[in-house]
Amino acid sequence: NAGVTQTPKFRILKIGQSMTLQCTQDMNHNYMYWYRQDPGMGLKLIYYSVGAGITDKGEVPNGYNVSRSTTEDFPLRLELAAPSQTSVYFCASSYGIGGKSPLHFGNGTRLTVT
Amino acid sequence: QKEVEQNSGPLSVPEGAIASLNCTYSDRGSQSFFWYRQYSGKSPELIMFIYSNGDKEDGRFTAQLNKASQYVSLLIRDSQPSDSATYLCAVRVYGQNFVFGPGTRLSVLP
Repeated sequence: NAGVTQTPKFRILKIGQSMTLQCTQDMNHNYMYWYRQDPGMGLKLIYYSVGAGITDKGEVPNGYNVSRSTTEDFPLRLELAAPSQTSVYFCASSYGIGGKSPLHFGNGTRLTVT
Repeated sequence: QKEVEQNSGPLSVPEGAIASLNCTYSDRGSQSFFWYRQYSGKSPELIMFIYSNGDKEDGRFTAQLNKASQYVSLLIRDSQPSDSATYLCAVRVYGQNFVFGPGTRLSVLP
């Protein structure tokens, strides 16, 4: 049981480049999320999805895009990378919206934009 | 603006002592409360969650919730050096997204 799988683990981008962070889960969870975590800071929600075909913005969506064509996959797209996007990105999923549905996190992608 | 606050620490306790981590939240509609542990360079992992007032125990960990005071805490008994990590408090209103605190860094000294 793999849980939530993120790729790549590390990436260095030049300013203006684009890339896609991949996330897939095998728990049949409806809800999926992308967070970023800057050093010494908490988790900030970028985008989330409540099911295939449905996505919505979180707290810090600027500079990112997402899609959810299947229940399993929730890729995050960075267009025109900027140094401010240097961060650790976590994908997460949960079964439902109720109180007994915790977040399950992937191992993270450490992104540096120079 | 929903807020979750934690003392950033570091909180240092000697091995074998009780570590007490605190979290306050602003939204009175919050219904579920989660504690995650995050080792340096790793992803958060769930320790436990609580949604009723009172205490909930799981091994060496006890979560305490007081909704009237908008306060949730995590006690770690018999602290071990392996407990040294950042502890994240997360709060959820039913049907809405999780809100995370900034985390408290715990250091357990041998």
